[in-house]
Amino acid sequence: KQEVTQIPAALSVPEGENLVLNCSFTDSAIYNLQWFRQDPGKGLTSLLLIQSSQREQTSGRLNASLDKSSGRSTLYIAASQPGDSATYLCAVWSWTGGSEKLVFGKGTKLTVNP
Amino acid sequence: DARVTQTPRHKVTEMGQEVTMRCQPILGHNTVFWYRQTMMQGLELLAYFRNRAPLDDSGMPKDRFSAEMPDATLATLKIQPSEPRDSAVYFCASGSGTDTQYFGPGTRLTVL
Repeated sequence: KQEVTQIPAALSVPEGENLVLNCSFTDSAIYNLQWFRQDPGKGLTSLLLIQSSQREQTSGRLNASLDKSSGRSTLYIAASQPGDSATYLCAVWSWTGGSEKLVFGKGTKLTVNP
Repeated sequence: DARVTQTPRHKVTEMGQEVTMRCQPILGHNTVFWYRQTMMQGLELLAYFRNRAPLDDSGMPKDRFSAEMPDATLATLKIQPSEPRDSAVYFCASGSGTDTQYFGPGTRLTVL
């Protein structure tokens, strides 16, 4: 059974700091891994999607990496800004028990202080 | 600007009443998801469809919840009868296969 864990559950940093959010998964038979952002009271917004054959994806100040063998992904945010404050979730599509499964982590709540 | 739309945005009802939530996925997307989010449990995948066929509804309480896709432009999530523990925000999302998902704004359900 695929399990997705995000540590820490909450993170508070000063503006301008570079930071890393972590996502780990137990079953390496994945299709892809996605990072989402959720602002309070809103739906999720997709940030980056990494296919199982890829090692990383970049979008602006965001860089996501994937290491299937160790079951880990990181989301790197450069030069953090107060507008980056949100909850960040990762989700994994995998093939488990003869069917595809989608599993989300519980998220990391990020606060960037001005 | 293509978006997933959900109706209603807010719903307050009394225990025992039927609740129906609707979702219009982005045109051309073949996969539609239903999620529930609470403070205690976080985001839970209830069910999802591909090409209108249910692929996984293992996260959905079968006795009171049902999800359908009458056609490619409409997905419904029904709760009958509703209970206070069903109070949550229900999100619909759509995408192409296992690619990027696009979320709707959610339906905030309160069951008294």
